Amino acid sequence: AQKITQTQPGMFVQEKEAVTLDCTYDTSDPSYGLFWYKQPSSGEMIFLIYQGSYDQQNATEGRYSLNFQKARKSANLVISASQLGDSAMYFCAMSGYSGSARQLTFGSGTQLTVLP
Amino acid sequence: ETGVTQTPRHLVMGMTNKKSLKCEQHLGHNAMYWYKQSAKKPLELMFVYNFKEQTENNSVPSRFSPECPNSSHLFLHLHTLQPEDSALYLCASSQPRVGAMNTEAFFGQGTRLTVV
Repeated sequence: AQKITQTQPGMFVQEKEAVTLDCTYDTSDPSYGLFWYKQPSSGEMIFLIYQGSYDQQNATEGRYSLNFQKARKSANLVISASQLGDSAMYFCAMSGYSGSARQLTFGSGTQLTVLP
Repeated sequence: ETGVTQTPRHLVMGMTNKKSLKCEQHLGHNAMYWYKQSAKKPLELMFVYNFKEQTENNSVPSRFSPECPNSSHLFLHLHTLQPEDSALYLCASSQPRVGAMNTEAFFGQGTRLTVV
């Protein structure tokens, strides 16, 4: 079974500063993917960044980067130069198979608030 | 036009009502999903459809009945719900590739359901 743990229910960051959102995972699968999603108050889940378990380099997408430490089973999201529009819920997720279906398992989320 | 569209966005229903949630994706994906998001809980996978065939049912009560008439449309039929079923119901789609873990799911904006 797969498990995703996000230990920070809420985080605050000053505008233009960087922030790290923590995510640890547990799986017995040798091959897996890790994702981060952003959920604004409107409800839609927005895909941000992906990291494969065999990727040698940390993933980056614009202001988002994923600090992947495989031995520690962590996949923290780093947001640089925070903007007010970054205030939202952030979810870490892992892809894997359950039976014949590929699915995402989500963590409980971190509510990020960017302060002006 | 967004990739995944859910209707209605908001729904209030009595415990004796019958209603349906609709999801439509314009991305050409072959897999569709229903997730339930309750307050302060991780997203819970409810149903998975691959190529219109249901491949996953995560012990969901029979008062929730999914239907996938084609690979672009997914419904969730609701009847005799309970107040604890009040939640945000999210639909997602993805394009499964054999052996690939980097296929992100694209989400709709969700239907916020209130059972009274």
